[in-house]
Amino acid sequence: GQSLEQPSEVTAVEGAIVQINCTYQTSGFYGLSWYQQHDGGAPTFLSYNALDGLEETGRFSSFLSRSDSYGYLLLQELQMKDSASYFCAVRPYNDYKLSFGAGTTVTVRA
Amino acid sequence: GAGVSQSPSNKVTEKGKDVELRCDPISGHTALYWYRQSLGQGLEFLIYFQGNSAPDKSGLPSDRFSAERTGGSVSTLTIQRTQQEDSAVYLCASSLEDTSYEQYFGPGTRLTVT
Repeated sequence: GQSLEQPSEVTAVEGAIVQINCTYQTSGFYGLSWYQQHDGGAPTFLSYNALDGLEETGRFSSFLSRSDSYGYLLLQELQMKDSASYFCAVRPYNDYKLSFGAGTTVTVRA
Repeated sequence: GAGVSQSPSNKVTEKGKDVELRCDPISGHTALYWYRQSLGQGLEFLIYFQGNSAPDKSGLPSDRFSAERTGGSVSTLTIQRTQQEDSAVYLCASSLEDTSYEQYFGPGTRLTVT
């Protein structure tokens, strides 16, 4: 099976920058996805890295390094509405379904 | 267009009863997934449907759980003889076949077994 590790919680103040790391142990996969889930809501797709490097979408960026078995989601200019859980996920080569990490709860303080 | 819809949004049932949860995916999405999420936990894969292929049932926790997808669209997840440990939010997601990294989730069904 696949194993993805994320920190369980991160707390930061408005305007700060938060980096959520995702380390994984898998023999091979198509790419790394990130999802956001607000409390009581459904997960929503944020970003996808098929190739190594940085992908930027507004205040959020995602990074992948296959050689280091590591990726991260970078949240910049934090806003209160960014308080949510963030999940990384991979689709292994021999599978169609995503394997999700346990999620990181981000709390933004005023 | 319309997103993924699920019904009911909440279901309270007595231990031992059967329940049916419904998922209506985005039109044109050939892939459909069921997940379970316990309070404060991650997403546990249950079952995956892709077009007319045999479903991947590898995540179903016991033979009390089953699912079907009729006409390549609507799916029903059935839990027989519910137990208290079945209490969770059941999430359905759909995607295009080639972009399973981008799944669209429904609002979920919160199941409470008393």
